Amino acid sequence: EPEVTQTPSHQVTQMGQEVILRCVPISNHLYFYWYRQILGQKVEFLVSFYNNEISEKSEIFDDQFSVERPDGSNFTLKIRSTKLEDSAMYFCAMAQSNIQYFGAGTRLSVL
Amino acid sequence: DQQVKQNSPSLSVQEGRISILNCDYTNSMFDYFLWYKKYPAEGPTFLISISSIKDKNEDGRFTVFLNKSAKHLSLHIVPSQPGDSAVYFCAAIDGGTSYGKLTFGQGTILTVHP
Repeated sequence: EPEVTQTPSHQVTQMGQEVILRCVPISNHLYFYWYRQILGQKVEFLVSFYNNEISEKSEIFDDQFSVERPDGSNFTLKIRSTKLEDSAMYFCAMAQSNIQYFGAGTRLSVL
Repeated sequence: DQQVKQNSPSLSVQEGRISILNCDYTNSMFDYFLWYKKYPAEGPTFLISISSIKDKNEDGRFTVFLNKSAKHLSLHIVPSQPGDSAVYFCAAIDGGTSYGKLTFGQGTILTVHP
């Protein structure tokens, strides 16, 4: 099973600040995803990323979100100006065949 | 948008007995289904999957059944163990896209009592 490492495990930020969440795949994969889970709600798809391009994004993934793979290894999710409602667990995943393997997540707390 | 539904928020089972977790879906384009287990403060862990061309897939104590006509799938765990206590998510992939996004159900909290 592919290993996915996410940092930080917990991020606390003030409303309006920018945050960058990081994901490091241990093995070489091409398909990456970001999901989030607001407390008490279901896991929701944000964006998928293939071959250094966004392949699909949800309605949640608006202009304040961006993704990139700056150095060919780290996969990042940036939230430009955080809002209170961005508080959630954010999960990175990568795909092997049709199976997606998830990291442990980053808990984002926006105050 | 409730394309994948898990109608039972929780399930309590005695150790050694069978656990049956259910999932319904509405999107007929879904053609691949997965079950994930999640512990607190961890990410979802893949358990078992099934393609829409099959009606059953088995892996050790875990069996997934798919009824396409009813748009229903279920996960059977036999025998249940206390370590199985976790939140179980059903997820589905739209067959129209390669490596498509997962659409998740709300999850079912399984508690297995010793």
